[in-house]
Amino acid sequence: QQQVKQSPQSLIVQKGGISIINCAYENTAFDYFPWYQQFPGKGPALLIAIRPDVSEKKEGRFTISFNKSAKQFSLHIMDSQPGDSATYFCAPIRGSSASKIIFGSGTRLSIRP
Amino acid sequence: KAGVTQTPRYLIKTRGQQVTLSCSPISGHRSVSWYQQTPGQGLQFLFEYFSETQRNKGNFPGRFSGRQFSNSRSEMNVSTLELGDSALYLCASSVDRPGQGNTIYFGEGSWLTVV
Repeated sequence: QQQVKQSPQSLIVQKGGISIINCAYENTAFDYFPWYQQFPGKGPALLIAIRPDVSEKKEGRFTISFNKSAKQFSLHIMDSQPGDSATYFCAPIRGSSASKIIFGSGTRLSIRP
Repeated sequence: KAGVTQTPRYLIKTRGQQVTLSCSPISGHRSVSWYQQTPGQGLQFLFEYFSETQRNKGNFPGRFSGRQFSNSRSEMNVSTLELGDSALYLCASSVDRPGQGNTIYFGEGSWLTVV
C-alpha cells in the first residue's frame, strides 16, 4: 500500500529532446504529487507538483501528467537542456506530515549536448 | 526569505564517536523532518518534529535521536557512529497548516563520513 515505483532508473536524452519519467503508486489516499530535482551535493528542491483534481499541470518546460485511474503520474521535460541533468524523485504524500511522503527511488537524468 | 539552513555541511567522524547536526527551518515553518540519503537506500525518513514534539519516527535504531526547540530549530544526534552511518543527512521544513499545502522544503544537507 505504501509502495512507489519510479522508472526508469537512469535516462540519457539528447539536448532538445523530451525527457519522461514515470511514477506508479499504490496508495489511493495520496493527495499531493510532487516531483523533486536534486543536483549533486545539494538537497532535493521542489520542481513541480499536482493535486489529484487535475490531469495535467505545466510550468515552463516541465509538465506533470496525472492518471488517477491508472495510479500513475509522470514528469515531462520538453526541450531538455544540459542544465536539467540531475536526479529526479517523485514523492507522493498524504496529508501534511513529512513522514507521510513516500519517495521514489530516483531517476538519474543526463542530457547530452 | 531564507531557505532551510543546515550545519555543518561536511564532517568526518571516527567510528564510535557521536555527532550533532543542526537545522534552521524556513521562518514560519512549524514542522521539521530529517532524512538519511545513501546511494543504496535512497531517501529514508528518520523523524519529524512539530511544536517541539516528535510526531513520527522512521525505522532507525535508537542511536538516532533528535529534538526541536521553541524557535522550531532542530538538532539530530547520532551516537556510537558506525561506518554505515556515512550519508547525506537532509533536514526539511514545512508550514504544516491546514489548507496551506503540504510542500516540503529541503536544506542542502550535512555530509557525514564515518571512518
